[in-house]
Amino acid sequence: NAGVTQTPKFRVLKTGQSMTLLCAQDMNHEYMYWYRQDPGMGLRLIHYSVGEGTTAKGEVPDGYNVSRLKKQNFLLGLESAAPSQTSVYFCASSYGFRGSGANVLTFGAGSRLTVL
Amino acid sequence: GIQVEQSPPDLILQEGANSTLRCNFSDSVNNLQWFHQNPWGQLINLFYIPSGTKQNGRLSATTVATERYSLLYISSSQTTDSGVYFCAVTNTGNQFYFGTGTSLTVIP
Repeated sequence: NAGVTQTPKFRVLKTGQSMTLLCAQDMNHEYMYWYRQDPGMGLRLIHYSVGEGTTAKGEVPDGYNVSRLKKQNFLLGLESAAPSQTSVYFCASSYGFRGSGANVLTFGAGSRLTVL
Repeated sequence: GIQVEQSPPDLILQEGANSTLRCNFSDSVNNLQWFHQNPWGQLINLFYIPSGTKQNGRLSATTVATERYSLLYISSSQTTDSGVYFCAVTNTGNQFYFGTGTSLTVIP
């Protein structure tokens, strides 16, 4: 049982390049989330999904796109990276209200992205 | 969204001391969780506590939902308690709002 796995763990991009972060969970969770963490700002929600095939915007969605084609995977894409997107990105998942158990967040280990 | 304020922002303790961390939130919530982010960046869920009191070893938490605050108590602190503690809340079940955290350093 691996929990929530994020790949890659580290990435350096040049301004304008594109990339995709992959989040995979093996807990049969309904809900999945992408957060970014910047110094002194806590975690801010980028996008989230309440089930396979669904996505929704969070607090800071601009410049990012997401897809949830399979229940266990949630992809975060940057089409044209900017230095302001330098951050640590965390994926999380939970049962949500449609699943069993409390709606408790389980986080991945994080992905550190630097945009030059 | 819901505003979440945590205090104090920074805390330095001698090993063995006790501490209380506070989380205030601006709206009614139906879900509140406390997390510990260790020095390697990993976020670990400590408590799911939308109301009432829970205890887990040296840690305990209390949420008074009607007054919109939660407290995290750490007793007999150890160096392994160092890190950042976050409070997260939601009233929709899908958008969790985080505070900016309390950075705790426990000195041996």
